[in-house]
Amino acid sequence: EAGVTQFPSHSVIEKGQTVTLRCDPISGHDNLYWYRRVMGKEIKFLLHFVKESKQDESGMPNNRFLAERTGGTYSTLKVQPAELEDSGVYFCASSQVGGLGYNEQFFGPGTRLTVL
Amino acid sequence: AQSVTQLDSQVPVFEEAPVELRCNYSSSVSVYLFWYVQYPNQGLQLLLKYLSGSTLVKGINGFEAEFNKSQTSFHLRKPSVHISDTAEYFCAVTPGWGAGKSTFGDGTTLTVKP
Repeated sequence: EAGVTQFPSHSVIEKGQTVTLRCDPISGHDNLYWYRRVMGKEIKFLLHFVKESKQDESGMPNNRFLAERTGGTYSTLKVQPAELEDSGVYFCASSQVGGLGYNEQFFGPGTRLTVL
Repeated sequence: AQSVTQLDSQVPVFEEAPVELRCNYSSSVSVYLFWYVQYPNQGLQLLLKYLSGSTLVKGINGFEAEFNKSQTSFHLRKPSVHISDTAEYFCAVTPGWGAGKSTFGDGTTLTVKP
């Protein structure tokens, strides 16, 4: 079974440009999460989708970030316009539907974004 | 809300020596606890997890961790490290119900020297 995949693996852009990151979760996983790690700090939560709905977007830093998950399958995270402080590694994770049971999140390899 | 503190940012150790990476957490609700490893230029890989039951959990690559509820700690240990264990290690918690987000520590870089 394929794991969580992310594209691209690396992206280098100029300040002010737009970048779109993509995440393909494990098939059948309704939960999809975005996290990022900036400048060697902790990995921070950005948002959580359940199917195509945003369950929790409390971690989104500002309105330059837009996440979508059309059809409840893959997700995109767009940064527009990109700023220097957006540089970091963006991780995606997916899991089965939650509830009273255990929720293991499976992580993708990450996209390393560098804004110059 | 949850928080995770990894007490050491860098841990250098010689090959075949034992190692302990420390993790404390704070939470107002019950949580599950995890250790992840990130090798250079790779993604996050689950090392081990504590859900319930025995407080000593064993993971991959010879690692183990002990959950201590009274001290709110979840320290990671390995009795004898290898050069290949050089990586960054992250402690994380998730709420013990539902599909809530993970909260991570800052990471500990383990460097194993020959």
